[in-house]
Amino acid sequence: GDSVTQTEGLVTLTKGLPVMLNCTYQTTYSPFLFWYVQHLNEAPKLLLKSSTDNKRTEHQGFYATLHKSSSSFHLQKSSVQLSDSALYFCALSDRNNYAQGLTFGLGTRVSVFP
Amino acid sequence: ETAVFQTPNYHVTQVGNEVSFNCKQTLGHDTMYWYKQDSKKLLKIMFSYNNKQLIVNETVPRRFSPQSSDKAHLNLRIKSVEPEDSAVYLCASSSRGANQDTQYFGPGTRLLVL
Repeated sequence: GDSVTQTEGLVTLTKGLPVMLNCTYQTTYSPFLFWYVQHLNEAPKLLLKSSTDNKRTEHQGFYATLHKSSSSFHLQKSSVQLSDSALYFCALSDRNNYAQGLTFGLGTRVSVFP
Repeated sequence: ETAVFQTPNYHVTQVGNEVSFNCKQTLGHDTMYWYKQDSKKLLKIMFSYNNKQLIVNETVPRRFSPQSSDKAHLNLRIKSVEPEDSAVYLCASSSRGANQDTQYFGPGTRLLVL
């Protein structure tokens, strides 16, 4: 079946430093990849998405590039802020059958300290 | 701005009781979903509904059932709750179109089974 792997469970870092959250996936169909962010006691919200190979997508200072050759969609930011402390999920859907729903990774908790 | 509404926010009940959670979306989407987020924050899809047709039904216990009156509403009923049902239940919606594949989540209903 389909799967999403996020290797880091917890990332702690100091404000102003760069961060990269890893995401790899396995699927047999044409993938759509997403990053969702969930702040404490809030709903997950879309951060980034892409279905285009080797094209960088950016939003709110975060960026990611879908690499189908390596089945990866890593999330990066050059300088984290305190407000970036949250739970980050990588997710996958079938580009041709969106109604199947999302397959989520286990999530990476990011804690940013002053 | 919230466009997927869920009630109640929080529900405490005893083992064996029946519960029902409501979800309404005002985005005009044609597909709605229920996800379960467990205590480890793992997100797993339970159901999706498209034009009153159940599209995805993961291996959830039979005591769970989705109920839809129209494409803007998708409720979740649990016939006889078990302790392992304690979780946050997230409703989401999406639609084909310019912003296809993006799922918008509600704030969730937190269930505690005693």
